[in-house]
Amino acid sequence: GQQLNQSPQSMFIQEGEDVSMNCTSSSIFNTWLWYKQDPGEGPVLLIALYKAGELTSNGRLTAQFGITRKDSFLNISASIPSDVGIYFCAGNRDDKIIFGKGTRLHILP
Amino acid sequence: EAQVTQNPRYLITVTGKKLTVTCSQNMNHEYMSWYRQDPGLGLRQIYYSMNVEVTDKGDVPEGYKVSRKEKRNFPLILESPSPNQTSLYFCASSFRQGSPLHFGNGTRLTVT
Repeated sequence: GQQLNQSPQSMFIQEGEDVSMNCTSSSIFNTWLWYKQDPGEGPVLLIALYKAGELTSNGRLTAQFGITRKDSFLNISASIPSDVGIYFCAGNRDDKIIFGKGTRLHILP
Repeated sequence: EAQVTQNPRYLITVTGKKLTVTCSQNMNHEYMSWYRQDPGLGLRQIYYSMNVEVTDKGDVPEGYKVSRKEKRNFPLILESPSPNQTSLYFCASSFRQGSPLHFGNGTRLTVT
């Protein structure tokens, strides 16, 4: 079936560092979405990407829709404690949204 | 405020005792869906609905039922819960199928 490979599974970084995570697939997707899940809450949409090559920013977050339409990355600059959580990528193919398994971000003081 | 509301947030029950988790959205969304989230398995879709009176199985529908009698509500029913249904459940809605989803805050279910 269609799968999204999200990496890394887990990250430990120092406060202030930049973070990069990505999602890849063997299938082409029409839309890429990035969500964040805070502890005890539901996932919240961070960025939506609709065109191959699109680069979009939302504050300290930047995400790109890969040219091949098979991958996407999310960067977080100058991490702060409230960036802790699970980041999910999701792709839309044939109107079905497929989720990656998430990257759990830990921030060390 | 635009939101998806699930109730209850926490539920502990025993094997075989029927339960319903409610979900309501106030955004006039056509599409609604239920997911379960388990460690190492990510978000898996249980059932979805493209509109009133239209429901379809997702990837893990066994042991669950849903109904969509009104546009805003999409309850999840466990007729005879079993311990392997212990999980964190999320309801989500979107303008239409394939649009970005808005999630509720989750229901943590424990079946003993």
